[in-house]
Amino acid sequence: DVKVTQSSRYLVKRTGEKVFLECVQDMDHENMFWYRQDPGLGLRLIYFSYDVKMKEKGDIPEGYSVSREKKERFSLILESASTNQTSMYLCASRAGGNTEAFFGQGTRLTVV
Amino acid sequence: DQQVKQNSPSLSVQEGRISILNCDYTNSMFDYFLWYKKYPAEGPTFLISISSIKDKNEDGRFTVFLNKSAKHLSLHIVPSQPGDSAVYFCAAYDHGSGNTGKLIFGQGTTLQVKP
Repeated sequence: DVKVTQSSRYLVKRTGEKVFLECVQDMDHENMFWYRQDPGLGLRLIYFSYDVKMKEKGDIPEGYSVSREKKERFSLILESASTNQTSMYLCASRAGGNTEAFFGQGTRLTVV
Repeated sequence: DQQVKQNSPSLSVQEGRISILNCDYTNSMFDYFLWYKKYPAEGPTFLISISSIKDKNEDGRFTVFLNKSAKHLSLHIVPSQPGDSAVYFCAAYDHGSGNTGKLIFGQGTTLQVKP
């Protein structure tokens, strides 16, 4: 079974802090994704990566950056956390072609 | 622009009856569609998918129908069970350049199955 693991289930950070969300997958998938989920807005794509050191912006990249130094790990960075970044963050990975994506358990981030 | 739309935020059905969740999309280049189920405080889990070369795919109690001309798909759950109560997301692949495949999600529909 594919396993996608996010480093924290719950985080509380202060406004202005730099925040790192880590995601690791164990199935050698090329593609990894970061989404945020907000009520009424569904899952919105922040960034994705299709290979090591490669990244592409999703629909809402402002205020975020990502890092993929190793194939199994994809990090989301909030450069300076703001209250409007309070959300559920979801990491996913998938192989190439038309295959399903597998999600981590999510990180509930609260910025105060 | 919302390329994948789920216009019904919520749906309530009686246990044993059919649940029908709907999804519309705008991009005719989408060629692969998926449904995910999500419980609170958990990540989404894959339910069922369909390729654009098909108009139906069935897996146990779950059936997905695709109407390409209408750019519409639906998920049927028969019979519905209380454990099916969750948020259901429709998704589509936007392959864009190459094979990277962005997965675009709808807003979700909250299904409540009453005992």
